[in-house]
Amino acid sequence: EPEVTQTPSHQVTQMGQEVILRCVPISNHLYFYWYRQILGQKVEFLVSFYNNEISEKSEIFDDQFSVERPDGSNFTLKIRSTKLEDSAMYFCASSEALPGGVLNTEAFFGQGTRLTVV
Amino acid sequence: AQSVSQHNHHVILSEAASLELGCNYSYGGTVNLFWYVQYPGQHLQLLLKYFSGDPLVKGIKGFEAEFIKSKFSFNLRKPSVQWSDTAEYFCAVTVYGGSQGNLIFGKGTKLSVKP
Repeated sequence: EPEVTQTPSHQVTQMGQEVILRCVPISNHLYFYWYRQILGQKVEFLVSFYNNEISEKSEIFDDQFSVERPDGSNFTLKIRSTKLEDSAMYFCASSEALPGGVLNTEAFFGQGTRLTVV
Repeated sequence: AQSVSQHNHHVILSEAASLELGCNYSYGGTVNLFWYVQYPGQHLQLLLKYFSGDPLVKGIKGFEAEFIKSKFSFNLRKPSVQWSDTAEYFCAVTVYGGSQGNLIFGKGTKLSVKP
């Protein structure tokens, strides 16, 4: 069964450092997403990406965040100058079409990358 | 702003007990509704979804959910839980025709089933 894969599973970084979280979406999917979950809190939408550009972003997704699809398979989330409050589980997801849209498709999630900023 | 509330933070049941997890959302328009499950150490998996039609939706592993529009609710049920149902359960909505499909999640309910 195709799945979304994320690497690494756990990343520890020092405050102020840059991190890149990597995701390989399901191959025929067109929409890509990043979500995060701070420990004990809800899963929050960060950004969606379609056709090589950001289609929507939340207020959490400020200038320290960026996303990229550097080749045909990877989808990355870069956090510049990490802060303690960036510590969270980051989930990548992909879908064939918009979840809940005309084609009624779902988003498939990866296992997440636990980011710890120290 | 749209939001999703899950009333129970942690539910502890014995095997064979019945389960009902509450989910309410705040949005007056058309929504699509989802329940995701996250087993320990695994990714979020879709249990079931509602887009339209019959408000009683059946999902995988014997789960079902009922959409009650008047109550803005989408509660998850299972008549008889098993130890393997121990996981965290997330309710989520998307606003149909609105945002680019981003899912708005509840805080999750942790279910522990005692053998």
